[in-house]
Amino acid sequence: GAVVSQHPSRVICKSGTSVKIECRSLDFQATTMFWYRQFPKQSLMLMATSNEGSKATYEQGVEKDKFLINHASLTLSTLTVTSAHPEDSSFYICSARAHSILDQPQHFGDGTRLSIL
Amino acid sequence: ILNVEQSPQSLHVQEGDSTNFTCSFPSSNFYALHWYRWETAKSPEALFVMTLNGDEKKKGRISATLNTKEGYSYLYIKGSQPEDSATYLCAFMGSNYQLIWGAGTKLIIKP
Repeated sequence: GAVVSQHPSRVICKSGTSVKIECRSLDFQATTMFWYRQFPKQSLMLMATSNEGSKATYEQGVEKDKFLINHASLTLSTLTVTSAHPEDSSFYICSARAHSILDQPQHFGDGTRLSIL
Repeated sequence: ILNVEQSPQSLHVQEGDSTNFTCSFPSSNFYALHWYRWETAKSPEALFVMTLNGDEKKKGRISATLNTKEGYSYLYIKGSQPEDSATYLCAFMGSNYQLIWGAGTKLIIKP
């Protein structure tokens, strides 16, 4: 149980393209979803937290106009990297929490490797 | 700045041997400590969520201990098997309920 599907798994595109990444909870309702970014050999860095039906909460230093997050239903959150540039190339991964109980584990997607040429 | 440190960064262990590694985290405003296993080409999988000082959790050959007063947790693997090869991540949750992640310990089991 508690499966999260994320896709695409890999994107290669030209600079200036906008890229949408989807994160779906397949067998549970995710009240909260998280978007992370990971640079090589570094920790997962939280970008934003999204709660269904409300605006995402962005971490300091993350541009909300650059990284648009939508959490329109209890099973789907999307991250759109707008007008992507080479510095946006990274590994992006989402996770979801099934309950509002805060010490429950997060369930992760497989991640998206984004390469901007 | 809150910091979560994991050591060692990587570890080579002979199949059948037991091993352990460390997660260090802030000793104040503790709420929970998470451990995850992340195998290559898969998604991170939750191992344990620990909340009580002195707690010990076990899942098969893997166990973890927690010391919130001094700010560390150990993860132990008994009788390592090739399928244990993965990166093991810990994450600290403080009183603001956000997870702060360590960079992970990469474990490689040599047959």
